[in-house]
Amino acid sequence: AQTVTQSQPEMSVQEAETVTLSCTYDTSESDYYLFWYKQPPSRQMILVIRQEAYKQQNATENRFSVNFQKAAKSFSLKISDSQLGDAAMYFCAYRSALGTALIFGKGTTLSVSS
Amino acid sequence: SAVISQKPSRDICQRGTSLTIQCQVDSQVTMMFWYRQQPGQSLTLIATANQGSEATYESGFVIDKFPISRPNLTFSTLTVSNMSPEDSSIYLCSVLPGLGLNEQYFGPGTRLTVT
Repeated sequence: AQTVTQSQPEMSVQEAETVTLSCTYDTSESDYYLFWYKQPPSRQMILVIRQEAYKQQNATENRFSVNFQKAAKSFSLKISDSQLGDAAMYFCAYRSALGTALIFGKGTTLSVSS
Repeated sequence: SAVISQKPSRDICQRGTSLTIQCQVDSQVTMMFWYRQQPGQSLTLIATANQGSEATYESGFVIDKFPISRPNLTFSTLTVSNMSPEDSSIYLCSVLPGLGLNEQYFGPGTRLTVT
């Protein structure tokens, strides 16, 4: 079975600074997808960024980028120029290429200070 | 994209009773899922709701406790049966419109408190 591990329960960053959230996963599959979701206090889950395992190029979405290391099974999220609105719980998630449901890590609570 | 609504948004129930949560999607979707999120915790998959057949449950979840229906491609219900305080959680409906790298969308959740 696949597992996702986020080893940082809480992280903090100052506005305009950069922060990196860690995620590792375990799978025996070669084809899969990885995601970062954000959950603000409103509870609504928001997709931040996604990555296909067979693509070596790291995904980027504006201020958000990932460092995908397939051999190490690592998928970290970098947030640049942090904003107050980035404060939320961030979940790393895995999906098999077979199209099953997302499997989530335990989450990292990010606080942003001015 | 997919817009998901859930009813009720929250409820307070007495132990031993049952609550049915409804999930409505604004478009036909391939797959629908139900998750549980205990306070301050991550999302745990309860089951995959299959259209016209029995749901597929994850380890630790059983049909007698969490019966699920999915009569069509846009609607599903989750019932939490014979509730106890340990069932107090947020229950989220989620859909996957297609396979691959497609975004999995989430409803706003139903906050259940069992007293």
